[in-house]
Amino acid sequence: GAVVSQHPSRVICKSGTSVKIECRSLDFQATTMFWYRQFPKQSLMLMATSNEGSKATYEQGVEKDKFLINHASLTLSTLTVTSAHPEDSSFYICSARAGQGMETQYFGPGTRLLVL
Amino acid sequence: GQNIDQPTEMTATEGAIVQINCTYQTSGFNGLFWYQQHAGEAPTFLSYNVLDGLEEKGRFSSFLSRSKGYSYLLLKELQMKDSASYLCVHMDSNYQLIWGAGTKLIIKP
Repeated sequence: GAVVSQHPSRVICKSGTSVKIECRSLDFQATTMFWYRQFPKQSLMLMATSNEGSKATYEQGVEKDKFLINHASLTLSTLTVTSAHPEDSSFYICSARAGQGMETQYFGPGTRLLVL
Repeated sequence: GQNIDQPTEMTATEGAIVQINCTYQTSGFNGLFWYQQHAGEAPTFLSYNVLDGLEEKGRFSSFLSRSKGYSYLLLKELQMKDSASYLCVHMDSNYQLIWGAGTKLIIKP
């Protein structure tokens, strides 16, 4: 199957700093990428849908000024957590859709963020 | 997750069969998916049902009843590596994904 990578896999930062997470589709072009957040023992929560060349669509309750999403190319989307706080500590997962079907949505390995 | 109901945890024995049930609200439907997620890893796609009935794929099978808003994932010949969380995901009429909180499956030797 297709491969989606994320970088970094794990990051620890101080409160108030910004963290950038990259999501890349390695062997296919993804017009749409999704960013999810998952707290321990909870379901994945969609944060935003990122479309190449246009503004991201954020889910209700997700602050677009705090979670900046840039989908500059068909293989790269970035999520920047600005002025991170301890409550932002979570597992951030991106996925990329290669086609129309759900089975063509591939997930990255996730980025574990710990804000001290 | 909102509108998705599945057991929090189940325990089964290696080599046995286990069925994980999932119910969802039937207001709009465009598919029911099952994902496997090992601890600390991203989900991986297992199955997709859009029509009623049983879809078999190797040791894993998934069943759907749209009128009842019900699905189950059936795992046969359980292996230790099957220990994971199994996520039931409903795609509603707006093509939005509603994720269940997952069922943690513990396999014992």
